[in-house]
Amino acid sequence: GAGVSQTPSNKVTEKGKYVELRCDPISGHTALYWYRQSLGQGPEFLIYFQGTGAADDSGLPNDRFFAVRPEGSVSTLKIQRTERGDSAVYLCASSSERGDTQYFGPGTRLTVL
Amino acid sequence: EDKVVQSPLSLVVHEGDTVTLNCSYEVTNFRSLLWYKQEKKAPTFLFMLTSSGIEKKSGRLSSILDKKELSSILNITATQTGDSAIYLCAYSGGSNYKLTFGKGTLLTVNP
Repeated sequence: GAGVSQTPSNKVTEKGKYVELRCDPISGHTALYWYRQSLGQGPEFLIYFQGTGAADDSGLPNDRFFAVRPEGSVSTLKIQRTERGDSAVYLCASSSERGDTQYFGPGTRLTVL
Repeated sequence: EDKVVQSPLSLVVHEGDTVTLNCSYEVTNFRSLLWYKQEKKAPTFLFMLTSSGIEKKSGRLSSILDKKELSSILNITATQTGDSAIYLCAYSGGSNYKLTFGKGTLLTVNP
């Protein structure tokens, strides 16, 4: 079956702009996670959804970052007033139930100029 | 603070060699330990370990967890150039099931 998909695969933007990154999880998966990976580092947790609600957003670095999952399937990560330090690969993962294996999408490489 | 440490950070071997990658963790509420292979962007799942001393195998790859030593190893036998990748170790714990990753081991297999 189809895996986790993310769009766009690459996004280049200018400092101060707004961006949206989309994640389409595996069909039927109720848990969805966003991670951010900088060069030479492992992925770092940003936010976890169980269904439509954000069960844990403790990893979001500041209030410029926000994520939604209005219908319990597709999720959008939104970044306002982007900064050069936001440049990274943003990974999305989903699992069938919380605690089950997380399967990752191909990521979105965000570059802020 | 909970953390995961992987060693070595990088490793270069020749095809046919056997490699052992290490992962140690310090966590307050351990649930499981996972290994992923990352070739370009998407980490692909290899193993999930929850019980100490039980080896999991998949082809030439195997992994085992030692809860007493708070560590895990990933073995790859008869390495191939296609095994070249970053191998990530992560643990799952706490109430939100998030994964906490190490920095990864960059494995390069030369022909």
